[in-house]
Amino acid sequence: AQKITQTQPGMFVQEKEAVTLDCTYDTSDPSYGLFWYKQPSSGEMIFLIYQGSYDQQNATEGRYSLNFQKARKSANLVISASQLGDSAMYFCAMREPYNNAGNMLTFGGGTRLMVKP
Amino acid sequence: KAGVTQTPRYLIKTRGQQVTLSCSPISGHRSVSWYQQTPGQGLQFLFEYFSETQRNKGNFPGRFSGRQFSNSRSEMNVSTLELGDSALYLCASSPSAGPLNTGELFFGEGSRLTVL
Repeated sequence: AQKITQTQPGMFVQEKEAVTLDCTYDTSDPSYGLFWYKQPSSGEMIFLIYQGSYDQQNATEGRYSLNFQKARKSANLVISASQLGDSAMYFCAMREPYNNAGNMLTFGGGTRLMVKP
Repeated sequence: KAGVTQTPRYLIKTRGQQVTLSCSPISGHRSVSWYQQTPGQGLQFLFEYFSETQRNKGNFPGRFSGRQFSNSRSEMNVSTLELGDSALYLCASSPSAGPLNTGELFFGEGSRLTVL
């Protein structure tokens, strides 16, 4: 079974609108972390936001927020007020420190977001 | 504060050759991990080093190896290159590791390897 599933291969959003990128995960680790990264065409993976499994509140970082629903095992990324520079690949990833005792990340297949002017 | 630095950024090799890629983590970070990104397989974990010790290894053949130096800089080596090794190789650094680790992971810009 896939550990991280991103069901939207590609998405369009109008500039200045909000968009939600979906991510579901599967783990038996009691303590895990969820990450979102942005990868522009240059290739660099840019860290956006992190949510720990025991965090009580949803993580927010500027225009990025993570809609964390633990019971449903989903960690959707919400980008508010989209900008043209948001056009990129977006990856959801999970760290399972107990299962892997380290910093190994498992990535989803990614969602290509295209922002229309 | 300088980010994660990977060298070289681009390189072209031929089948059968070997290649060494370098990663300098963020100052103070002791964990360095490596990932391979290809269009077909996506992002796959190669290995992680922490305080010069390999902590985790992904499902890659023995041709892929790595090491970490006392200053936390890391190198990965691929011997007897195959066409399928063409990929973007990404390095990530983190300040810590272990079950209670909630630290962020920061990536470099990657080394893009083309095997002809």
